[in-house]
Amino acid sequence: AQTVTQSQPEMSVQEAETVTLSCTYDTSESDYYLFWYKQPPSRQMILVIRQEAYKQQNATENRFSVNFQKAAKSFSLKISDSQLGDAAMYFCAYRRFRDDKIIFGKGTRLHILP
Amino acid sequence: DTGVSQDPRHKITKRGQNVTFRCDPISEHNRLYWYRQTLGQGPEFLTYFQNEAQLEKSRLLSDRFSAERPKGSFSTLEIQRTEQGDSAMYLCASSLDLEEKLFFGSGTQLSVL
Repeated sequence: AQTVTQSQPEMSVQEAETVTLSCTYDTSESDYYLFWYKQPPSRQMILVIRQEAYKQQNATENRFSVNFQKAAKSFSLKISDSQLGDAAMYFCAYRRFRDDKIIFGKGTRLHILP
Repeated sequence: DTGVSQDPRHKITKRGQNVTFRCDPISEHNRLYWYRQTLGQGPEFLTYFQNEAQLEKSRLLSDRFSAERPKGSFSTLEIQRTEQGDSAMYLCASSLDLEEKLFFGSGTQLSVL
């Protein structure tokens, strides 16, 4: 069975600094997708970034980038120039290729210190 | 297009009562998903629809739970004879296609007393 593990329940970062959130996963599949979702206090899950496993290049979206290490089954999220609006729960997630079901980790709560 | 809408936002009920939640996906999205999120956990998959067909159900979805999506538009999730363990946030999401971005609603927070 596929699993997603986020070992950091909470993290804090100073505004304008850089922070990295960790995620590891377990799968025997070779084709899959990995995601980072953000859940602010409004509760609405928002896709931050997506990575296709067959792509070696790490995905980036503005201030957000990932470090995808397929062999190590590691998928960390780096947030540069942290802003107050980045404060939220961040969930790492996995989806097998051609499967509709997304498997989420337990989340990391990120605090931004002014 | 206002996104995925869920109603109600909060529901408090007594154990043993039936509850029904509604989800209105983004129009023209043919895939609709239900997830459940308990405190301190990430969302867990419950079921999904492609148009009006319910194609997969999680083992988490006991026979007290039923979901429908008549005419492939809005969806309802009903829980019969609620138990305290059903207390959670129920999230709905929709997408145009499997490879397209998934959009979530703000969830229905259920508290069973």
